[in-house]
Amino acid sequence: ETGVTQSPTHLIKTRGQQVTLRCSSQSGHNTVSWYQQALGQGPQFIFQYYREEENGRGNFPPRFSGLQFPNYSSELNVNALELDDSALYLCASSLVGGRGETQYFGPGTRLLVL
Amino acid sequence: AQSVTQLGSHVSVSEGALVLLRCNYSSSVPPYLFWYVQYPNQGLQLLLKYTSAATLVKGINGFEAEFKKSETSFHLTKPSAHMSDAAEYFCAVREEVIQGAQKLVFGQGTRLTINP
Repeated sequence: ETGVTQSPTHLIKTRGQQVTLRCSSQSGHNTVSWYQQALGQGPQFIFQYYREEENGRGNFPPRFSGLQFPNYSSELNVNALELDDSALYLCASSLVGGRGETQYFGPGTRLLVL
Repeated sequence: AQSVTQLGSHVSVSEGALVLLRCNYSSSVPPYLFWYVQYPNQGLQLLLKYTSAATLVKGINGFEAEFKKSETSFHLTKPSAHMSDAAEYFCAVREEVIQGAQKLVFGQGTRLTINP
């Protein structure tokens, strides 16, 4: 069974740039959720993708967007980067439909915006 | 909206001592509750979950948690701490965003330090 993988592991960008982060879900899972974890904080929900559509969104602006592909992998795109976007971005996959469905997390991508 | 409060941002125990990490939740519906562990520079690993079956839940690495509805608590315990338990621990409650979509609402985390 393949776990959740994310790429790249680290990224440095400058303010105003755009970034794309990638996530491959665990085998057998059909849903991907993205979270932002600022330093010293708990993860905050960005959005969830199911059947290639956004299926719920947290309190993040539209410059945070995503995609899900037919193989259930996903991308998180952030436009017009701001200094406060510096964080660990976590992807989690799950299987919709199971009772008490559990989200399994990848290792994260650490983004630094200068 | 549901919420999670973890009492104590930093807990320090001696190796071999009892570990107790506190979590209280706020939920308007029967909750699904989770504990995750995060080692330095890593993602989150599931320790255990409560899904309305047994109130005492056993997880990996010797951890367990007890769901107490009357106290709205889901505290994490381990009888004997090991040096490898040093990490950040997060309690989370599952919340429905829209019909069918679920998100996790996390507490602020508790950093566990083990003293030799």
